[in-house]
Amino acid sequence: DAGVIQSPRHEVTEMGQEVTLRCKPISGHNSLFWYRQTMMRGLELLIYFNNNVPIDDSGMPEDRFSAKMPNASFSTLKIQPSEPRDSAVYFCASREGLAGKETQYFGPGTRLLVL
Amino acid sequence: DQQVKQNSPSLSVQEGRISILNCDYTNSMFDYFLWYKKYPAEGPTFLISISSIKDKNEDGRFTVFLNKSAKHLSLHIVPSQPGDSAVYFCAARPSSGNTPLVFGKGTRLSVIA
Repeated sequence: DAGVIQSPRHEVTEMGQEVTLRCKPISGHNSLFWYRQTMMRGLELLIYFNNNVPIDDSGMPEDRFSAKMPNASFSTLKIQPSEPRDSAVYFCASREGLAGKETQYFGPGTRLLVL
Repeated sequence: DQQVKQNSPSLSVQEGRISILNCDYTNSMFDYFLWYKKYPAEGPTFLISISSIKDKNEDGRFTVFLNKSAKHLSLHIVPSQPGDSAVYFCAARPSSGNTPLVFGKGTRLSVIA
């Protein structure tokens, strides 16, 4: 298996622009997580899905952030409009979602820079 | 309020010696703990885990110890190698169903040759 796939790996954009980050979880995994990593706050959970359904989005910083999971093999995290303080590394992770299968597998991340 | 705390942001160890990374937690409902390792420009990768019914789990050079009464766990790496230089994240899972892991902020380990 290729693991969790994220695209793009790097994104540089200007303030006010829309940014879309993409994630393909590991096949067969039922849970998907979006994280943001910054120096100040470490690894923060933004939102997670179980069986394509959003379960908890309380970590989403504000209404400018939205996430979708239209099917079991694809998810997007959108920021509209983007701001310089959104600059961070965004990770997607997936998990089997079964008892005893707690390990989350992370993608390589998308490094976002908003100018 | 941070439920999982890694109080040392960085640690430097000589090659061949023991590295000890510490993690404290506040939520007594956590029942499963994991350590992740992260290299620059890569995502975190799973390293080792321990269930709350155990107090020790060993995998090669890596051992995780859990002290439930103190709400403390530690990762021991023996012997430390330069390739171990990375950021190590402690994570914990609440026992209430299929919920996300709670991560610490990480400790950067540098193993000096």
